[in-house]
This record gives sequence, C-alpha cells and structure tokens, in this order.
Amino acid sequence: KAGVTQTPRYLIKTRGQQVTLSCSPISGHRSVSWYQQTPGQGLQFLFEYFSETQRNKGNFPGRFSGRQFSNSRSEMNVSTLELGDSALYLCASSLAITGVNTGELFFGEGSRLTVL
Amino acid sequence: AQTVTQSQPEMSVQEAETVTLSCTYDTSESDYYLFWYKQPPSRQMILVIRQEAYKQQNATENRFSVNFQKAAKSFSLKISDSQLGDAAMYFCAYRGINTGTASKLTFGTGTRLQVTL
Repeated sequence: KAGVTQTPRYLIKTRGQQVTLSCSPISGHRSVSWYQQTPGQGLQFLFEYFSETQRNKGNFPGRFSGRQFSNSRSEMNVSTLELGDSALYLCASSLAITGVNTGELFFGEGSRLTVL
Repeated sequence: AQTVTQSQPEMSVQEAETVTLSCTYDTSESDYYLFWYKQPPSRQMILVIRQEAYKQQNATENRFSVNFQKAAKSFSLKISDSQLGDAAMYFCAYRGINTGTASKLTFGTGTRLQVTL
C-alpha cells in the first residue's frame, strides 16, 4: 500500500511569492492534516480536512489556506510568502477523525520550503 | 488547551543499553490517545508506539515500551537493547477524541537520541 505522498520535496521561493503544496493520502484515508515544522516553533498544526471540509484550523494567518478534493488529495497554499514561512511542511492522513480508528496519523516525507 | 512537555532536549545511550525518554502532558479530557513518533534524519515521521488512555496496560512494541501513568499525566518511552538505527528525534504527541482535539496532534518539542558504540 502506498504511503502518504507529498510534492514537491524541495522548493525555493522569494518573499511575496505564493506556493502550493500537494499531498496524496493513503488509499482509503479520508482525513488529511497539515503541520508546519520549524526549529524554533517545533511541530504546529495548520489544518485538517475530512470529506472536502475543513474541520479544524490552527493558529496561522489567513495567508495559509488549503483544500481537499473528492479523491481526498489535499493542497495547501501560502500566499505572500515571508522569510518566517521557511519550514518543513508535513502532511498526514488517517482513516477518520475519531472513533473507530486507532487515532494514528501516517505522515509523508514533507515538503521543504525555503523563502529567500 | 492541551500541552505536551518533553524536558530532555538530548539523550545519549550506548548500543545494547536501555534508555528512557520522558513526556508529560496536560489535558482536561478523560479519554485520548498518546503516541511516540520517531523522526530520523530522512525526515519521515514514523509511529513508534501508541497508547489509548482508557487502557491501563502499558503498550509494548518489540524493544519499545511505555510507562503510562494517567493520574500523573506521564508517558515515558523505554527503548531496550538500543540499536544504531534508533538514533533520531523522538516526539511525544497527544490526540484527543473531542471536537477540536480529535483532528490534530499536539506535539512535544522532541528529544534527540544519540546512540553510541
């Protein structure tokens, strides 16, 4: 079974640009969540999507947005990039939000964004 | 709000020895999940072990086991017979079951584990 796939793996942008990151969850997983990982702030929750609906959002400015498609693939977008947006962006998928599953998230390898 | 604290930024263990990584958390929920994730230099976060709060029995996965103390809100990870491949950053994480907490993991700051010969 293929794991969580994130593209691109690495990208370099300049301040003011925008970026779109893509995540394909494990087949059958309907929940996709995104995390930002930086040396200073650690791992921080960005948002979570389930059946194309955003179910939860972390404490990030509106420049950070996302969406989920009917096939459960998800994209996140960051507009008007700032130097502080340089980070590893991790996507994770799970079977469901609550209840019947084990609660486990399966992570992709991440997209390393560098903002110059 | 839920918080997860890992007080050991770095730990070192000799190969074949045992090491314990500490984690404490704070929550007002009565049921939740706790996890230990491993992130090697290759970056991919890998689940090491999982504990459901309603289960009193400590989880065990081969050389990895936890000491779950619900009343003390403590969740430590013991690695036995340490191997070079265990070298990584280890994150303790919390996931609730209620709206607002069920859809995200709250991570600790991580403990970098070095394994020496």
